[in-house]
Amino acid sequence: GQSLEQPSEVTAVEGAIVQINCTYQTSGFYGLSWYQQHDGGAPTFLSYNALDGLEETGRFSSFLSRSDSYGYLLLQELQMKDSASYFCAVLKKGYGQNFVFGPGTRLSVLP
Amino acid sequence: GAGVSQSPRYKVTKRGQDVTLRCDPISSHATLYWYQQALGQGPEFLTYFNYEAQPDKSGLPSDRFSAERPEGSISTLTIQRTEQRDSAMYRCASSLGVGTSQETQYFGPGTRLLVL
Repeated sequence: GQSLEQPSEVTAVEGAIVQINCTYQTSGFYGLSWYQQHDGGAPTFLSYNALDGLEETGRFSSFLSRSDSYGYLLLQELQMKDSASYFCAVLKKGYGQNFVFGPGTRLSVLP
Repeated sequence: GAGVSQSPRYKVTKRGQDVTLRCDPISSHATLYWYQQALGQGPEFLTYFNYEAQPDKSGLPSDRFSAERPEGSISTLTIQRTEQRDSAMYRCASSLGVGTSQETQYFGPGTRLLVL
């Protein structure tokens, strides 16, 4: 099988920059996605890396390196509303649309 | 519809009963997913549909779990002879296209199932 690993918790202060890492043990996948989930809410899509490199969407950026089996989500100018859980997810080749989500990283933004 | 909807939002049942959960995806979306999400964990894939076809149901925990999408729109997830370990949040998601591109999934609010 395959697995995704993320830090369980990250804490930062408002205005800071935080990086949430995702390492994976799978070969052959279509890319790396990131989802945000607030307490009591549904996961919402943040970004997708189909290719290696950096993708930027406003305050959020995401990076993928297939050779290092590694990706990260970078959040800049942190705001209190960014306090949430963040999940990385992959779609493994040869398995149709069977998505695998990571365990999630809980981000707490302090004033 | 404007978004993915699920019903009921909460379901309490007794062990051994059957339950059916409903998902109404975004109307133009071809693909529909079912996930199980435990508290503090990421969504775990159960099964998915491309229109009414169900190419992969490998994530269903046992043969007590089944899903349907007979007309390629609304889907139901049925759990027969529920067990306490089935207690979880069940989430539905939909995406626009069909195939292997990792398209955005739009998640519904989920059904919280509690088996007593």
